[in-house]
Amino acid sequence: GESVGLHLPTLSVQEGDNSIINCAYSNSASDYFIWYKQESGKGPQFIIDIRSNMDKRQGQRVTVLLNKTVKHLSLQIAATQPGDSAVYFCAESGGSNYKLTFGKGTLLTVNP
Amino acid sequence: DAMVIQNPRYQVTQFGKPVTLSCSQTLNHNVMYWYQQKSSQAPKLLFHYYDKDFNNEADTPDNFQSRRPNTSFCFLDIRSPGLGDAAMYSCATSRDVGGDSPLHFGNGTRLTVT
Repeated sequence: GESVGLHLPTLSVQEGDNSIINCAYSNSASDYFIWYKQESGKGPQFIIDIRSNMDKRQGQRVTVLLNKTVKHLSLQIAATQPGDSAVYFCAESGGSNYKLTFGKGTLLTVNP
Repeated sequence: DAMVIQNPRYQVTQFGKPVTLSCSQTLNHNVMYWYQQKSSQAPKLLFHYYDKDFNNEADTPDNFQSRRPNTSFCFLDIRSPGLGDAAMYSCATSRDVGGDSPLHFGNGTRLTVT
């Protein structure tokens, strides 16, 4: 059967609170970043992206912040809802690597 | 409506018995990818097609092969599945490679090897 995977970082929040999910990347040449949401039994779903010429981008209830100096990316979810419970992956590409590289996911659990 | 469709959702095969997973897309995207995802891990790229050009990842085992007969369809063939190949296999597409072309994923096929 499947091998046992690594334990995911987890974040547990109360419904209505804001959530912040963090991601560190190592490739200083990366210039494109995406956040994906993956619910149980489903494929990753695109949430929001940002290019390296920006440091903030907002969507509906979500904000992505990019700090290129420390190679850090974060996803903020406002007024977190139970439907936001999922694993969140950051992904990056850029430089000589045009293919997306996924980071380690974070399991978000929203408590009602 | 689903734009990247994978069939079946669940596939059971026996150790060593060849199996094929299917993916189709209605987006008319140039690039199609196959990812392997094991429990609690990030998706791992196996290979991708840019149009008809096949690009294999260096660490993808020879046991894994792919075919793209046309723009819409892409197949993952596992010639001799081992127990370690049990995983979720996700197909994805993108208009182009690199920035400004996010991947669109299907819902995956969960493969069980008995």
